Amino acid sequence: QQQVKQSPQSLIVQKGGISIINCAYENTAFDYFPWYQQFPGKGPALLIAIRPDVSEKKEGRFTISFNKSAKQFSLHIMDSQPGDSATYFCAASKDNFNKFYFGSGTKLNVKP
Amino acid sequence: GAVVSQHPSWVICKSGTSVKIECRSLDFQATTMFWYRQFPKQSLMLMATSNEGSKATYEQGVEKDKFLINHASLTLSTLTVTSAHPEDSSFYICSAPSGRTYEQYFGPGTRLTVT
Repeated sequence: QQQVKQSPQSLIVQKGGISIINCAYENTAFDYFPWYQQFPGKGPALLIAIRPDVSEKKEGRFTISFNKSAKQFSLHIMDSQPGDSATYFCAASKDNFNKFYFGSGTKLNVKP
Repeated sequence: GAVVSQHPSWVICKSGTSVKIECRSLDFQATTMFWYRQFPKQSLMLMATSNEGSKATYEQGVEKDKFLINHASLTLSTLTVTSAHPEDSSFYICSAPSGRTYEQYFGPGTRLTVT
């Protein structure tokens, strides 16, 4: 059973546009929701994360929107740049020191 | 920020041999580390949780006798792929919780190719 579902599988956005990636989870015990960026041949790097006590978190061009009642959260990349072209993974976990459940990933291609 | 390293970054081995991958936390102690496997264009699949001083906890479907995990110190966990076969070829990634927040730090990954 997939704990975290991610969509879309791939996304093409023009430079300067907004990239939106969505995730949904089942387990209401999850209390930490990070987004990771991964370039080919590299390990994932933390982009931004949110706890369920807030509905939105913004860091630079990256924003997480969180809807606790719908059990959904999304990543918005404003003013998307070709350098943002990578694979993005959402994840969820409960408690500290605990394992992450990853979404299936979204390959983003930002066209110049 | 905290750094997690992996060694080697890329290894090629012959079918039937064993290969060891190291995961180190460079500037913090990690009583727990996680090992993931990632096939091309797929997500990270958790293989096991490595606990310092005790046995690893394996996810369902992961062969514990094939993927040996040893967490001998607070900064080092090793994954040994025993009797490797071509289907074990994959990208292996480790991670460690920061200890202060929920954040986990991921290593750069190890590309294993079994010929």
